[in-house]
Amino acid sequence: DVKVTQSSRYLVKRTGEKVFLECVQDMDHENMFWYRQDPGLGLRLIYFSYDVKMKEKGDIPEGYSVSREKKERFSLILESASTNQTSMYLCASSLAGDEQFFGPGTRLTVL
Amino acid sequence: QKEVEQNSGPLSVPEGAIASLNCTYSDRGSQSFFWYRQYSGKSPELIMFIYSNGDKEDGRFTAQLNKASQYVSLLIRDSQPSDSATYLCAVNFSLDSSYKLIFGSGTRLLVRP
Repeated sequence: DVKVTQSSRYLVKRTGEKVFLECVQDMDHENMFWYRQDPGLGLRLIYFSYDVKMKEKGDIPEGYSVSREKKERFSLILESASTNQTSMYLCASSLAGDEQFFGPGTRLTVL
Repeated sequence: QKEVEQNSGPLSVPEGAIASLNCTYSDRGSQSFFWYRQYSGKSPELIMFIYSNGDKEDGRFTAQLNKASQYVSLLIRDSQPSDSATYLCAVNFSLDSSYKLIFGSGTRLLVRP
């Protein structure tokens, strides 16, 4: 089975802090994705990566950056956290055009 | 504009009934279609995928695809209270080579005991 893990289930940060969310997958998938999910807004794509050191903006990249130094790891960075970034953050991975497998999610609260 | 539309629900059915969840999409050339189940506070988990027109069955679940009508559905037979969740439809759009999926906002299903 594909396993996607995320570094934290719950995280509380203060406005202005730099926040790192880590995601690791163990199935040698090329593609990795970061989403945020908010009530009534569904899943929104922040960034994705189709190869090591490659990244592309999704639908809502503002205020975020990403890093993919190794194939199995994809990091989401909030340069200066703001209260409107309070959300559930979901990482996913996929092989080519196949289904995406999700990690357990990180519920981030920015105070 | 790439769109995947779902009725938000809730869809309420009695235990043992058939639940029918529907999804429409905007790109006629789309090739891959996925159904995810998401329990409250949990992440989405894949339950079905379908690539060809027609029906695909897996246990109590049947996915139906009609590309001409740009319509994909999920039927859940013998619905159980444990099926109560939000069901997300996801589509891979044909002109997008980066393997992104576009997700619908989900339909909440309630199965009454």
